[in-house]
Amino acid sequence: EPEVTQTPSHQVTQMGQEVILRCVPISNHLYFYWYRQILGQKVEFLVSFYNNEISEKSEIFDDQFSVERPDGSNFTLKIRSTKLEDSAMYFCASSEVADYGYTFGSGTRLTVV
Amino acid sequence: AQRVTQPEKLLSVFKGAPVELKCNYSYSGSPELFWYVQYSRQRLQLLLRHISRESIKGFTADLNKGETSFHLKKPFAQEEDSAMYYCALSRSTSWQLTFGSGTQLTVLP
Repeated sequence: EPEVTQTPSHQVTQMGQEVILRCVPISNHLYFYWYRQILGQKVEFLVSFYNNEISEKSEIFDDQFSVERPDGSNFTLKIRSTKLEDSAMYFCASSEVADYGYTFGSGTRLTVV
Repeated sequence: AQRVTQPEKLLSVFKGAPVELKCNYSYSGSPELFWYVQYSRQRLQLLLRHISRESIKGFTADLNKGETSFHLKKPFAQEEDSAMYYCALSRSTSWQLTFGSGTQLTVLP
């Protein structure tokens, strides 16, 4: 069964540093998403991406965040200057159509120290 | 704004017993409702969505608009059903999912 692949599985970074979280969506999927889950809290929507542009973003997704699909296969989330409160599990997801039947990746645990 | 509530953080049942995981939502429009499951050390997986009216792994869920609920049910729980279950909602005008806080189901032998 096709999978969404996320790398790395765990990243530790110093506060103020930039991080890039990487995702390889399923190849025939057209819609891409990032969600995050702070420990003990709900899974929260960050951003959706379609046709090489952001379709929708949440209040969490401020100017510190950006997404990119640099080469037609990868889908990246960049956090420019990490804060302690950015520590969370970040999930990438993709879907073939916008019918919300997402396939999630296994997540990247980001720890900001 | 929409909201999804899963009142039980933890739920334990014995193998073979019926199980019901509760989900209530608030949204003024017509929502689409989903159940996602996360087995230990695995990724979130779509279990079922109300629009399909399907039964997956013996689980069913009925959207009750009057009670604004979308409870997940299974008549005979199995040990392999032990997992974290998340109810989620999307609006017809949006692609984002709003998740509940999840219920950790443990099926005891």
